[in-house]
Amino acid sequence: QVQLQESGPGLVKPSQTLSLTCTVSGGSIGSGSYFYNWIRQPAGKGLEWIGRIYTSGNTNYNPSLDGRVTISMDTSENQFSLKLYSVTAADTAVYYCVRDRDSWGQGTLVTVSS
Amino acid sequence: EIVLTQSPGTLSLSPGERATLSCRASQSVSGTYFAWYQQKPGQAPRLLVQGVSSRATGIPDRFSGSGSGTDFILTISRLEPEDFAVYYCHQYGRSPLTFGGGTKVEIK
Repeated sequence: QVQLQESGPGLVKPSQTLSLTCTVSGGSIGSGSYFYNWIRQPAGKGLEWIGRIYTSGNTNYNPSLDGRVTISMDTSENQFSLKLYSVTAADTAVYYCVRDRDSWGQGTLVTVSS
Repeated sequence: EIVLTQSPGTLSLSPGERATLSCRASQSVSGTYFAWYQQKPGQAPRLLVQGVSSRATGIPDRFSGSGSGTDFILTISRLEPEDFAVYYCHQYGRSPLTFGGGTKVEIK
């Protein structure tokens, strides 16, 4: 059974870059046909899809984030990563990494504050 | 972007009752790329149904999904105590992927 685990700083200053990594165990991210997603959830609010990377390396991003997002993968480390640039307080949320729809990480809280 | 509108916002029911949750899309959802999730406080969402009506692994058969086009329904035939939670609908057929705002099922 595949497992995902997010890691990265819990506090980021405004205007800086939020960087998170998702480590996948129980399956190789370089094989199969899967989408690896980043999804976030502000406290007390709903879910927002940030973007995804396919097994082939192709990416899609949510245009609501105004081009501030990059998602990449490192098959040698079996990880995929999120970079969100020029963050503001509105980017404070729990960030989840997800394979397709059924395999979720536990989520990691990222707070944007000086 | 496909906007998903869930109703009602809150559903107050008793254990054993039937729950009917609705999700309306602003435009037709591609194919059968529609899912439902359950989320409890402090937990990641759990996939219940995908492909409109296919239950995910380990999901009891009291959960069922139906619908097509722009109108989708999640039915919980008889509420168990562990079913009181927030439910989200989700379309994954067209980018950007989108979620509904959620329906909270609370104990009456």
